[in-house]
Amino acid sequence: GAVVSQHPSRVICKSGTSVKIECRSLDFQATTMFWYRQFPKKSLMLMATSNEGSKATYEQGVEKDKFLINHASLTLSTLTVTSAHPEDSSFYICSARVSGTGGGGYTFGSGTRLTVV
Amino acid sequence: QQPVQSPQAVILREGEDAVINCSSSKALYSVHWYRQKHGEAPVFLMILLKGGEQKGHDKISASFNEKKQQSSLYLTASQLSYSGTYFCGTEQAGTYKYIFGTGTRLKVLA
Repeated sequence: GAVVSQHPSRVICKSGTSVKIECRSLDFQATTMFWYRQFPKKSLMLMATSNEGSKATYEQGVEKDKFLINHASLTLSTLTVTSAHPEDSSFYICSARVSGTGGGGYTFGSGTRLTVV
Repeated sequence: QQPVQSPQAVILREGEDAVINCSSSKALYSVHWYRQKHGEAPVFLMILLKGGEQKGHDKISASFNEKKQQSSLYLTASQLSYSGTYFCGTEQAGTYKYIFGTGTRLKVLA
């Protein structure tokens, strides 16, 4: 089945540094990827929609200069958290829509738990 | 804009049934259901594409009322493995966004 590989799975960084999270579609082309953030015991909140070859579309309240999204190819989208602060600590997940496989649906990366100290 | 799920949380005994509802204020193209275990990514359960569509496998089924912009997930004869947080994922008509519902925490006790 369609697989999205997300790395790293866990990262601890110092406040003020930047962290890059990668999502790769392994056996399909992901024209569109979605990036979500999930705080403990909360739902997944859409941060931005990433389209290959164009600028990402950010949701209201999400700082585009802080959360840099790049979707340079059909198999790779990256999220860079710049100048991270403790309040950025969260679970970040990417997702891509998969058409024509098992009735359709969205496949998710395994998630990245970011801890900013 | 975020679909509201009800109940927020439910505790069951093994073998009991549960219904989880997902209600949207916007017209929906499709509804997906997921189960998420703590610390893991959501696992896809099923997709409902058409109004009135019902689907199911094993003891988990779902329905989609397009007019009411609602979907329900039915869990029958619950098992311990059903414990987790359930989310509906929705494709909102007229947009390319994929939005998750507020979530329902379900715990099945032996």
